[in-house]
Amino acid sequence: QKEVEQNSGPLSVPEGAIASLNCTYSDRGSQSFFWYRQYSGKSPELIMSIYSNGDKEDGRFTAQLNKASQYVSLLIRDSQPSDSATYLCAGVGGSNYKLTFGKGTLLTVNP
Amino acid sequence: NAGVMQNPRHLVRRRGQEARLRCSPMKGHSHVYWYRQLPEEGLKFMVYLQKENIIDESGMPKERFSAEFPKEGPSILRIQQVVRGDSAAYFCASSPGTGAVEQYFGPGTRLTVT
Repeated sequence: QKEVEQNSGPLSVPEGAIASLNCTYSDRGSQSFFWYRQYSGKSPELIMSIYSNGDKEDGRFTAQLNKASQYVSLLIRDSQPSDSATYLCAGVGGSNYKLTFGKGTLLTVNP
Repeated sequence: NAGVMQNPRHLVRRRGQEARLRCSPMKGHSHVYWYRQLPEEGLKFMVYLQKENIIDESGMPKERFSAEFPKEGPSILRIQQVVRGDSAAYFCASSPGTGAVEQYFGPGTRLTVT
């Protein structure tokens, strides 16, 4: 069974801090990884995608991928209360289309 | 609105009735995916469709569930004889399909079976 595991949280950080969200995956064939943000009662919103080892930065967000360790992370710098949401990690394997999601990590940023 | 559209946003059905969920992909996207999110559970893949073709339905329950994406019109996820366990949020996502793997989600349909 191909699994994506996320640190269960919930995670609480003060405003302005760095939030670190982690994810591991079991399928070595997984090629691409995505972070989605989901506010309560809303749909997932794609915030980052990463395809190769290393770091990818986009504004306050940095995604990190280590295929040898089968590990993906998302760092949110200068966290804001509006970042409070559930963050979903997802991977795509050899099929190149079927997203396998983790259960999500609930992040709360306290003003 | 260039985003993925789904309707209805909320649907209430009694046990044994049929539920029809519709999805129009983002403009320029030809690939549609359906996912289900049960309360307190993660998103689970159900089915992947292109126009007039079901590519992968490995995540669909074997009975009562069907999906289509006709040449004209939206994709439809159909659930016959609904049961309480079908109560969930059903999300549709789309992608361009030209090698790009990023999927963009619609607002979802919240199905409640009473």
